[in-house]
Amino acid sequence: DAGITQSPRHKVTETGTPVTLRCHQTENHRYMYWYRQDPGHGLRLIHYSYGVKDTDKGEVSDGYSVSRSKTEDFLLTLESATSSQTSVYFCATSDGAGYEQYFGPGTRLTVT
Amino acid sequence: SQKIEQNSEALNIQEGKTATLTCNYTNYSPAYLQWYRQDPGRGPVFLLLIRENEKEKRKERLKVTFDTTLKQSLFHITASQPADSATYLCAPGNNFNKFYFGSGTKLNVKP
Repeated sequence: DAGITQSPRHKVTETGTPVTLRCHQTENHRYMYWYRQDPGHGLRLIHYSYGVKDTDKGEVSDGYSVSRSKTEDFLLTLESATSSQTSVYFCATSDGAGYEQYFGPGTRLTVT
Repeated sequence: SQKIEQNSEALNIQEGKTATLTCNYTNYSPAYLQWYRQDPGRGPVFLLLIRENEKEKRKERLKVTFDTTLKQSLFHITASQPADSATYLCAPGNNFNKFYFGSGTKLNVKP
């Protein structure tokens, strides 16, 4: 398995607070992605990165920002958490040689 | 906008039978389609990729078909085992920056 870790694995936070989720990979993959997974909606792409400092929006990017200052780290920030952002967040990477993605274990975020 | 549909009802089959899962898409012309497996509490795991110019692809007990006219992919698991029980996600795509996943079909294989 690709070495992808996510931290924290679980978090409970209050509405209005900022939250940062971290994705760390040891595979030197070029592409990194953040998804959220909700019942009935499947995985939806929030943001992705195609290189250090190169990022772009996915289909559900409102209320989220990302940063990638190193190849191995991709941070997802909820600027002011809302209850609608309660979800399971997955990070994924791809080496660019093929299209397959390698997923991290996920972070369960609850916004109260 | 693109829409990806997988049967939301669980598929229950007996061990040893062939499981067939369906992925339909609309308003989209993917160049390839991927299938992933997801176990409870874990991230998806890549299984197979089929390209638009391939009609069928096999890997061990897995077989995937891709019909661009019907806008449909079928995923087959032959000689199914209880260990195959999981949720299976399809993901049509065109490049590295636009991935769309279906919501998945849960497969239950009973011994």
